[in-house]
Amino acid sequence: DQQVKQNSPSLSVQEGRISILNCDYTNSMFDYFLWYKKYPAEGPTFLISISSIKDKNEDGRFTVFLNKSAKHLSLHIVPSQPGDSAVYFCAATGPLSGTYKYIFGTGTRLKVLA
Amino acid sequence: GAGVSQSPRYKVAKRGQDVALRCDPISGHVSLFWYQQALGQGPEFLTYFQNEAQLDKSGLPSDRFFAERPEGSVSTLKIQRTQQEDSAVYLCASSLSGSGANVLTFGAGSRLTVL
Repeated sequence: DQQVKQNSPSLSVQEGRISILNCDYTNSMFDYFLWYKKYPAEGPTFLISISSIKDKNEDGRFTVFLNKSAKHLSLHIVPSQPGDSAVYFCAATGPLSGTYKYIFGTGTRLKVLA
Repeated sequence: GAGVSQSPRYKVAKRGQDVALRCDPISGHVSLFWYQQALGQGPEFLTYFQNEAQLDKSGLPSDRFFAERPEGSVSTLKIQRTQQEDSAVYLCASSLSGSGANVLTFGAGSRLTVL
């Protein structure tokens, strides 16, 4: 039962263009969503988050959009840079069974072409 | 410390051996999580501690997996009688608060290969 889904395993984008990474979830109890970026042989590093009371959060080149009715969130990177090439994971959490357990998607590998 | 530290970074074990993986979270962080990441997959939840209390161990795949955090700081994940399917990267993460939603800070992981 995949509660958080990232249906695109990979994405290639030209440098300077917009990268859009998508994530869908099924559990309506989720109330906080995070994006993590992972380079090979390193742990995931936090990128940006959004609470369910908002529909948009922006931090520099990174913007996360949340559509609660569709149970969908997306990460926009503008402009994309070669250093953004990594695997991106979305994660969701909420008061599940009394504890805030973080559920991750399977990741999207982004490649930014110079 | 400045970040979450995990050791060993790499571990090769023969099938049937016991292994112990250590996690040193950020000082003062109340919550500690263990995740398992198989090749090409996202991190899968294993267990969660709030200080020394193990509040959720629903993700541990079998009774061969055991985790502890006896003094509410360093944690150890122990895998007994390792099997080939245990081969994965084991990630530890910590967060400051013990309640509500927080940002998790991850360590670099311990890559376990079972031959």
